[in-house]
Amino acid sequence: GAVVSQHPSWVICKSGTSVKIECRSLDFQATTMFWYRQFPKQSLMLMATSNEGSKATYEQGVEKDKFLINHASLTLSTLTVTSAHPEDSSFYICSARASLFDIRLKPNTGELFFGEGSRLTVL
Amino acid sequence: AQTVTQSQPEMSVQEAETVTLSCTYDTSESDYYLFWYKQPPSRQMILVIRQEAYKQQNATENRFSVNFQKAAKSFSLKISDSQLGDAAMYFCAYRSHLIIQGAQKLVFGQGTRLTINP
Repeated sequence: GAVVSQHPSWVICKSGTSVKIECRSLDFQATTMFWYRQFPKQSLMLMATSNEGSKATYEQGVEKDKFLINHASLTLSTLTVTSAHPEDSSFYICSARASLFDIRLKPNTGELFFGEGSRLTVL
Repeated sequence: AQTVTQSQPEMSVQEAETVTLSCTYDTSESDYYLFWYKQPPSRQMILVIRQEAYKQQNATENRFSVNFQKAAKSFSLKISDSQLGDAAMYFCAYRSHLIIQGAQKLVFGQGTRLTINP
């Protein structure tokens, strides 16, 4: 099956620093990746959609300068939380959609695959 | 914009019994996908079952089945013979059938926390 790996799984940082979270598709090419944020006991809220080689599309209310998303290759997307503050503490989850032309996935239904999530704690 | 509503924040069921989780959605599209995801304490999102809107037959996956009522925009999940490992948050989700940029995102409901009583 398709595997999406997120790193780090848990990060603690000081207020004002920047943190980078990586999302990798290990055995398929991810043309599109999605970044979600989940507060405790709440649902997943989409932050942005990233397509390989182009700028990310941010959801309304999400600060693009605060949450930098890069999708430089078909297997890697990164989310950088810049100048992190305690209110940025949350669980961040990425999901990846395979290229419909990727024959390694059988069957390839364009399904989204999720990473394990990354817990960010800002002190 | 599409919305997904789960009106049951919490549900509990006795082990080996059957439980049904409710989900309703709103969309103007005629073709789309619906999903149920399970999120255990590890917080890894696990796909439980999916349903294509153009298919009239309800999807089933072992002990999991759905009742898809397209006209009513309802998509409930039935778990038969509940097991302790089924305890988790369950999220209903919608995805457009369109392949244009931005349309492939999942829209999630608020979630239902399912507890299995031994």
